[in-house]
Amino acid sequence: DQQVKQNSPSLSVQEGRISILNCDYTNSMFDYFLWYKKYPAEGPTFLISISSIKDKNEDGRFTVFLNKSAKHLSLHIVPSQPGDSAVYFCAAFYNTDKLIFGTGTRLQVFP
Amino acid sequence: EPEVTQTPSHQVTQMGQEVILRCVPISNHLYFYWYRQILGQKVEFLVSFYNNEISEKSEIFDDQFSVERPDGSNFTLKIRSTKLEDSAMYFCASTFSGDGNQPQHFGDGTRLSIL
Repeated sequence: DQQVKQNSPSLSVQEGRISILNCDYTNSMFDYFLWYKKYPAEGPTFLISISSIKDKNEDGRFTVFLNKSAKHLSLHIVPSQPGDSAVYFCAAFYNTDKLIFGTGTRLQVFP
Repeated sequence: EPEVTQTPSHQVTQMGQEVILRCVPISNHLYFYWYRQILGQKVEFLVSFYNNEISEKSEIFDDQFSVERPDGSNFTLKIRSTKLEDSAMYFCASTFSGDGNQPQHFGDGTRLSIL
């Protein structure tokens, strides 16, 4: 089941710069997309979501962009901080109540 | 901030034994979930539960698995006869409403190791 894909397993960014995490999906019926952050030995923590009827949602340093025609979404973190170092999961949701997760991207923010 | 709590944090069990993983969802939440993550793989949906019954389950959730909300606070996942391939992190999640507008909140997981 490859409905949600994160093609970059890792990303390294300098502190203060922008981090851009990408996610692609195949099912045009998804109606919400969510980003979760996960630290080792902890569960996924909700970051930000976007409805399929929008193309942008912003919350502080985090912005999610949705391009429905390309079936692509991205999470922008600016400025990046060392505490942002974690694994980021993209997840999608449609008329059932389960989340379908991508494989995750490990973000490392270095000083 | 209210949180989902899971116990135990690590469970080691012999193959073929029964195991019960426990979760206390956020108190006013109505929808409950179990997910699992095998080492190195993606987080996978197992089952959703609402109004005291299963609303959806994946193909992973076979007859060896069951869920229960035995009282007003706990939500449990039972594996009747564990297999080596059941070794994984198991995450419980809850949300107030079952649509994507309300994010699911996850516990820190139970690491299940089958020997």
